[in-house]
Amino acid sequence: AAGVIQSPRHLIKEKRETATLKCYPIPRHDTVYWYQQGPGQDPQFLISFYEKMQSDKGSIPDRFSAQQFSDYHSELNMSSLELGDSALYFCASSLVPRGGGGNEQFFGPGTRLTVL
Amino acid sequence: KQEVTQIPAALSVPEGENLVLNCSFTDSAIYNLQWFRQDPGKGLTSLLLIQSSQREQTSGRLNASLDKSSGRSTLYIAASQPGDSATYLCAVRHHGNNRLAFGKGNQVVVIP
Repeated sequence: AAGVIQSPRHLIKEKRETATLKCYPIPRHDTVYWYQQGPGQDPQFLISFYEKMQSDKGSIPDRFSAQQFSDYHSELNMSSLELGDSALYFCASSLVPRGGGGNEQFFGPGTRLTVL
Repeated sequence: KQEVTQIPAALSVPEGENLVLNCSFTDSAIYNLQWFRQDPGKGLTSLLLIQSSQREQTSGRLNASLDKSSGRSTLYIAASQPGDSATYLCAVRHHGNNRLAFGKGNQVVVIP
């Protein structure tokens, strides 16, 4: 079965540089989520999109922005990178059930960002 | 703010023993709860999803229970195997938003 695809898998940047992370959700999924997992930490929610509109916003720095495109893929743009941005960034996707009820989130393999 | 706690933080068991992992959350107004497995430096694999109206879910050797009113969930892994060694994360989705709030995980080592 198709899974969530993230690219790149690894990224090394210098401080103050810019990074763009890409996420391709499971086909027919309509919601995309971004999470950040620092070393030894639990994943923290950043932002989500439903049908290309921002649906929820968490602890995402103002230096970060994200969007979901017409083909449902999403990009997380990170500017003025800081050492503390080094983390594993996960994208997840889900499908809102037509009859309601909770939707299971499926996670991608993550992008490991290292800021030097 | 939803707080999710997992106890114990780490445990080691001999192969063949049953594993019991606990998760508690402070706000019982949840929509659902998911258990994940994470191998070191890897992604999150969804194991089980329990809706707020359900009491338990089973998949193979895995069984998860949910007591929403007391803010607790338990993951049981029967007849543990060395391949079960990983970190298990509990995550809850609160009513009113679709984000998951995670616990810090139970780090499990199954000794052959």
